[in-house]
Amino acid sequence: DQQVKQNSPSLSVQEGRISILNCDYTNSMFDYFLWYKKYPAEGPTFLISISSIKDKNEDGRFTVFLNKSAKHLSLHIVPSQPGDSAVYFCAAFSSGTYKYIFGTGTRLKVLA
Amino acid sequence: DAGITQSPRHKVTETGTPVTLRCHQTENHRYMYWYRQDPGHGLRLIHYSYGVKDTDKGEVSDGYSVSRSKTEDFLLTLESATSSQTSVYFCAITGQGATGELFFGEGSRLTVL
Repeated sequence: DQQVKQNSPSLSVQEGRISILNCDYTNSMFDYFLWYKKYPAEGPTFLISISSIKDKNEDGRFTVFLNKSAKHLSLHIVPSQPGDSAVYFCAAFSSGTYKYIFGTGTRLKVLA
Repeated sequence: DAGITQSPRHKVTETGTPVTLRCHQTENHRYMYWYRQDPGHGLRLIHYSYGVKDTDKGEVSDGYSVSRSKTEDFLLTLESATSSQTSVYFCAITGQGATGELFFGEGSRLTVL
């Protein structure tokens, strides 16, 4: 029973264009949603987060959108750069359990 | 960078042997987590701790135990390793709980033959 799902295992985008990564969740009790980026042989690093009471959060080239009614969030990267090529994980946090639950990841490849 | 050290970074062992992975932090953070990363499964929570001697199970806790006798150390033990436990294990910490981001260690790659 996967509570956080990333249905696209991979995505390829041309440099300079927009990358959109998607994530769905099933538990309405999550308080925060986070995106992490992971390069090979390294630990995941934090990218951006959003509270469940917000619908958008922006940080530079990265914007996260939250649609609570659809239990869906997305990460937009504009413009995409070759250095953005990595695996991206979405995560959901519950203050009731203090658990962070991660999705299966999406491998983004930005083509130069 | 958050002060998280995982050891060992690489280990090869045989089925049936016990294995302990150590996570050491210098941040005095309350919460510590163990995840495993596998192709097609992403990051799955094994166990986590919300204080000294306070631990709880995650999504895939069977075959694993943990201990936290002091704030800075969180140990993950495989009592009798199996080939299905071949994976990359990540430790993570956070101090703020409700809103804080997780900081991850560099990972420990375990191969069970």
